[in-house]
Amino acid sequence: QKEVEQNSGPLSVPEGAIASLNCTYSDRGSQSFFWYRQYSGKSPELIMFIYSNGDKEDGRFTAQLNKASQYVSLLIRDSQPSDSATYLCAVNMEYGNKLVFGAGTILRVKS
Amino acid sequence: DAGVIQSPRHEVTEMGQEVTLRCKPISGHDYLFWYRQTMMRGLELLIYFNNNVPIDDSGMPEDRFSAKMPNASFSTLKIQPSEPRDSAVYFCASTPGWSSGYTFGSGTRLTVV
Repeated sequence: QKEVEQNSGPLSVPEGAIASLNCTYSDRGSQSFFWYRQYSGKSPELIMFIYSNGDKEDGRFTAQLNKASQYVSLLIRDSQPSDSATYLCAVNMEYGNKLVFGAGTILRVKS
Repeated sequence: DAGVIQSPRHEVTEMGQEVTLRCKPISGHDYLFWYRQTMMRGLELLIYFNNNVPIDDSGMPEDRFSAKMPNASFSTLKIQPSEPRDSAVYFCASTPGWSSGYTFGSGTRLTVV
């Protein structure tokens, strides 16, 4: 089992729709969870982090965490073509104190 | 702040040559990480430092890879000798602490021919 798993996609949504990106992780002791956006040819950019169960909203982005199910998600409301990128889920593993990244989900927003 | 600065941006070298990648973390960030990204394997952690001390190098693929952090503002990742399978984008990242996310540099695209 991979430490952090994501559906590679691509996930295609029409402009204005809600994009839902999902991630599961293996280390039950993990405490910190991050979402990064990576445009083609660029470096990963932090867009959201969440530590507690429930939802955290920041503008058009909402991160959701369910530690019991070891599941974290990212919702993007009113998706724009500029949101087209690869979204990386990252989990701070309890062991070794290091950030492990999923393989990323490619999101395509069609205008 | 100028962010995490990496050099060079691109490096093309012949198999067997030594390659040195450089990184300047954000001032005040006590943690520095070296990652490698490929299509097949995604982002892989190679090594990380805390206060200039290597903490976990379990991701370093083999003895051909070495990393140093002589001071708080500079780190190097060296590959000697380089091989075509080392071709990837190498990212350096830094953070002030575990509860914070990492800030990545622009990366070095390495091509070994």
